[in-house]
Amino acid sequence: EPEVTQTPSHQVTQMGQEVILRCVPISNHLYFYWYRQILGQKVEFLVSFYNNEISEKSEIFDDQFSVERPDGSNFTLKIRSTKLEDSAMYFCASRWRRTSVDEQFFGPGTRLTVL
Amino acid sequence: LAKTTQPISMDSYEGQEVNITCSHNNIATNDYITWYQQFPSQGPRFIIQGYKTKVTNEVASLFIPADRKSSTLSLPRVSLSDTAVYYCLVDFNDMRFGAGTRLTVKP
Repeated sequence: EPEVTQTPSHQVTQMGQEVILRCVPISNHLYFYWYRQILGQKVEFLVSFYNNEISEKSEIFDDQFSVERPDGSNFTLKIRSTKLEDSAMYFCASRWRRTSVDEQFFGPGTRLTVL
Repeated sequence: LAKTTQPISMDSYEGQEVNITCSHNNIATNDYITWYQQFPSQGPRFIIQGYKTKVTNEVASLFIPADRKSSTLSLPRVSLSDTAVYYCLVDFNDMRFGAGTRLTVKP
């Protein structure tokens, strides 16, 4: 069964450092998403991406964040200057079509720890 | 955006049927209702989706009344491994999660 993969599974960084979280969506999917989940809290939408551009972004997704699809398979989330409050699980998801009837497939997540 | 309301938590025992209800008073005509399950330290996983009446798959059933302002996820004969957070979503344009319902299944 096809699946979304994410690397690394755990990233530890110092405050102020840049991090890049990587995702490989399911190969024929067209819509890509990043979410984060702070420990014990709900899953929060960050950004959606389609046709090489951002479709929507939440208020969380400020200038410190950027996304990129550098090639035909990877989808990355960059945090330019990490803060302590960026510590969370980051989930990538992909979807074939942007309609309600198509489920999102989530990756296993990257646990980001900012020290 | 259609907003959803679910109970924050529920407890059950192994072998019981669990029903989790979600309210979505502002659901739009083209919105489907989708339920996801999330285990600790894992990404959400699709369980079931429906538009109206009843949908059943190998994992759960979903009951949707005619006015579609609510839906009920039914898990038959739960086991300890069904302990998870369950999210109800209604969307056409995006996938924004609410707080979900934390189900704890006890032996």
